Amino acid sequence: DIQVTQYPSSLSASVGDRVTITCRASQSITNYLNWYQQKPGKAPNLLIYGASNLQSGVPSRFSGSGSGTDFTLTINSLEPEDFATYYCQHSDTSPLYVFGQGTKLEIK
Amino acid sequence: QVQLQESGPGLVKPSETLSLTCSVSGTSIRSSSYYWAWIRQSPGKGLEWIGSIYHSGRINYNPSLKSRVTISADMSKNHFSLKLTSVTAADTAIYYCARNWYQLFNWFDSWGQGTLVTVSS
Repeated sequence: DIQVTQYPSSLSASVGDRVTITCRASQSITNYLNWYQQKPGKAPNLLIYGASNLQSGVPSRFSGSGSGTDFTLTINSLEPEDFATYYCQHSDTSPLYVFGQGTKLEIK
Repeated sequence: QVQLQESGPGLVKPSETLSLTCSVSGTSIRSSSYYWAWIRQSPGKGLEWIGSIYHSGRINYNPSLKSRVTISADMSKNHFSLKLTSVTAADTAIYYCARNWYQLFNWFDSWGQGTLVTVSS
């Protein structure tokens, strides 16, 4: 089975900063990688699908990139509402859906 | 707007069966290209996909849970359900239902609010 490793597990940043979160797959997954944001007490919310496609309604300061085994989620100019936990997710053809371990983005 | 709502007991005894229902509004679970999924989240294991069902009756399960899980759907009530047998404390988690886009990149684009299920005697 393909494993996805997400890092860092936590990150401190300030409003206005640019941050990058990484997800690495144990083998090539082309661009079958999605990103979610989860706020405390809420369900995850889809941000990016297919590695780089912005879900409708998601602010343009969010972007995704990568292919093969290495992927990044970038948030430009952090807003106060962006402090949350972020997850990557992959599905193979079985299908078997696998989530990364999560990155908690905290205010510095 | 699509809305999903989980319901069911919040406390289940060890070795018993966990049963949850997800009521869907704003769309039909007969929608093409969408499966309907159960996902859980526990502190120790993060987000874990349990399984997904299509209106045709096709069901995909996580192999790690397959022996204990049954997902079903009631088209007339526009809801789908989860049964997890022989539960232990390790099954304590927040259980979410979600809409599962099943074309190309396979994502989850609408979620219920989640329901906490605790396994304890």
